[in-house]
Amino acid sequence: ETGVTQSPTHLIKTRGQQVTLRCSSQSGHNTVSWYQQALGQGPQFIFQYYREEENGRGNFPPRFSGLQFPNYSSELNVNALELDDSALYLCASSLRLEQFFGPGTRLTVL
Amino acid sequence: AQTVTQSQPEMSVQEAETVTLSCTYDTSESDYYLFWYKQPPSRQMILVIRQEAYKQQNATENRFSVNFQKAAKSFSLKISDSQLGDAAMYFCAYRSSYNNNDMRFGAGTRLTVKP
Repeated sequence: ETGVTQSPTHLIKTRGQQVTLRCSSQSGHNTVSWYQQALGQGPQFIFQYYREEENGRGNFPPRFSGLQFPNYSSELNVNALELDDSALYLCASSLRLEQFFGPGTRLTVL
Repeated sequence: AQTVTQSQPEMSVQEAETVTLSCTYDTSESDYYLFWYKQPPSRQMILVIRQEAYKQQNATENRFSVNFQKAAKSFSLKISDSQLGDAAMYFCAYRSSYNNNDMRFGAGTRLTVKP
């Protein structure tokens, strides 16, 4: 059984650019959640996708958007990057209660 | 809104000793789940233990156990016989049973294990 994977591992962008982060769910998991973890803080919920539909959103602006594909993999897109978007982005897949996290993508915005 | 507070930014423990990490939460809901996650330097969050609010019995997983005090809204993690591999950031998390797409995390406690 393959675990949750994320790509890329690290990414450096400049302010104003756009970025796409990718997540492959654990086999059979139909739900993917995305979190932003700023340095020294706990993860904050961005949004969740269930069977290709957004199923809840945290307190993040519309420039944070996502997609879930028929194979349940997912993308997080961030437009008009700001310095404060620098963080570790985690995705987690789940089938029922327990969430399984990927290793994250470290995004640095200069 | 639900909030999770971890009041200990850092803790240390001697190898083979016991340590307790504290967590309090605020909610008006009666049914929810509480979790402790471990995040080692590899960054991958790993579930340590889970507690359902409707269960009175405290959850236990090998060397890890919790003290769940629902009335006090307290959920501490006890690590017995600490090992060097237990060194990591530990996050307490809350998840509603009614709105299960939003997991709230505390700010974390960094645990150091001394040999």
